[in-house]
Amino acid sequence: EAGVAQSPRYKIIEKRQSVAFWCNPISGHATLYWYQQILGQGPKLLIQFQNNGVVDDSQLPKDRFSAERLKGVDSTLKIQPAKLEDSAVYLCASSLARNTEAFFGQGTRLTVV
Amino acid sequence: QQQVKQSPQSLIVQKGGISIINCAYENTAFDYFPWYQQFPGKGPALLIAIRPDVSEKKEGRFTISFNKSAKQFSLHIMDSQPGDSATYFCAATPSRGSNYKLTFGKGTLLTVNP
Repeated sequence: EAGVAQSPRYKIIEKRQSVAFWCNPISGHATLYWYQQILGQGPKLLIQFQNNGVVDDSQLPKDRFSAERLKGVDSTLKIQPAKLEDSAVYLCASSLARNTEAFFGQGTRLTVV
Repeated sequence: QQQVKQSPQSLIVQKGGISIINCAYENTAFDYFPWYQQFPGKGPALLIAIRPDVSEKKEGRFTISFNKSAKQFSLHIMDSQPGDSATYFCAATPSRGSNYKLTFGKGTLLTVNP
């Protein structure tokens, strides 16, 4: 079974630029999550989708971050404009349902300079 | 507000020794407590999990101990091996009839020396 796929693996941008990350969840998984993992900390949930609807985005900085999950499969997370403090690993995870085990992708490491 | 506190931040043990990582939580709505293992450059992977209706769960060399009254839980790795060297995260979430919204601890970097 293929795992959660994310791209790119690494991205370096200058502050105030925009960036987008892509995630393809495990086939058949209805729930998709985006987490932010700052160096030395545990992952923090940014947004949770159930199919193509948002379930929880309470910790998403909506002035600069946006996410979508068109057709209930792939998802993109965008940052515009980026700040230095956005440097982190962005992890995508998926699960069969809202209260089942989540499987994580390898993440995208973003460096904002 | 840090809802899940994890200690120690780093841990060095000798091969064959016991590794112990502790976590404490505040939110009494939490009723599912997983531990994740993360290797460099990889995403976290579920290692073992427990619900508060049991005080201990064992899977191979990994054991979770749970103290509901103290709101604490810990991971014990018996016969630690160099391949266990990784970062370990405890997490907590409400579960039954609810979304999984994992709150992670800050992580423990485990190094097992050969």
